[in-house]
Amino acid sequence: EVQLVQSGAEVKKPGESLKISCKGSGYSFTSYWIGWVRQMPGKGLEWMGIIYPGDSDTRYSPSFQGQVTISADKSISTAYLQWSSLKASDTAMYYCARGVGATVEFDYWGQGTLVTVSS
Amino acid sequence: SYVLTQPPSVSVAPGQTARITCGGNNIGSKSVHWYQQKPGQAPVLVVYDDSDRPSGIPERFSGSNSGNTATLTISRVEAGDEADYYCQVWDSSSDHYVFGTGTKVTVL
Repeated sequence: EVQLVQSGAEVKKPGESLKISCKGSGYSFTSYWIGWVRQMPGKGLEWMGIIYPGDSDTRYSPSFQGQVTISADKSISTAYLQWSSLKASDTAMYYCARGVGATVEFDYWGQGTLVTVSS
Repeated sequence: SYVLTQPPSVSVAPGQTARITCGGNNIGSKSVHWYQQKPGQAPVLVVYDDSDRPSGIPERFSGSNSGNTATLTISRVEAGDEADYYCQVWDSSSDHYVFGTGTKVTVL
């Protein structure tokens, strides 16, 4: 059974760093893309970026380029999303999702990680 | 950047048909994927590559795509179909992925 299990909710202060994770199981982790999607409270889905764990090929949305870093450790089938300096506006639910197909639909999703940034 | 526009809301009576549009420049030349998101849950893929359904998705969900508009059609709507729906494409010119603005489907 394909599963993506994300790390737990985080409460941070502005300026702090953070790294959240997404562990894949039940499939070949290196053969599928992993995308990250932001959903701010009461808002829609926003594509942040995507990584191919097989060769670490990574692309970012222009809106998030330079704001976050996406990485993966294929030895433990885990992808990461990290911030070096959080802002209050980073408060949101973050989802990872497996990307498949030539035009990459996201067929399996993690349960989401809620990040709250507040002083 | 490529923009996908959806109506904010669609209302439909049980048993009727809901049609959710997704507008984009020449979207007919792209593959469109659709997701359903219920409150407090992660999105679920309901249609991919314009009109294919993942296993486990009812045949009541179908899709089409032509010109500047893609459409997700939900036939014989049930109360359990009440959710937010998002379209998504891969924009090959920028190698970026784009989600639509989202449509809230209300079952009357």
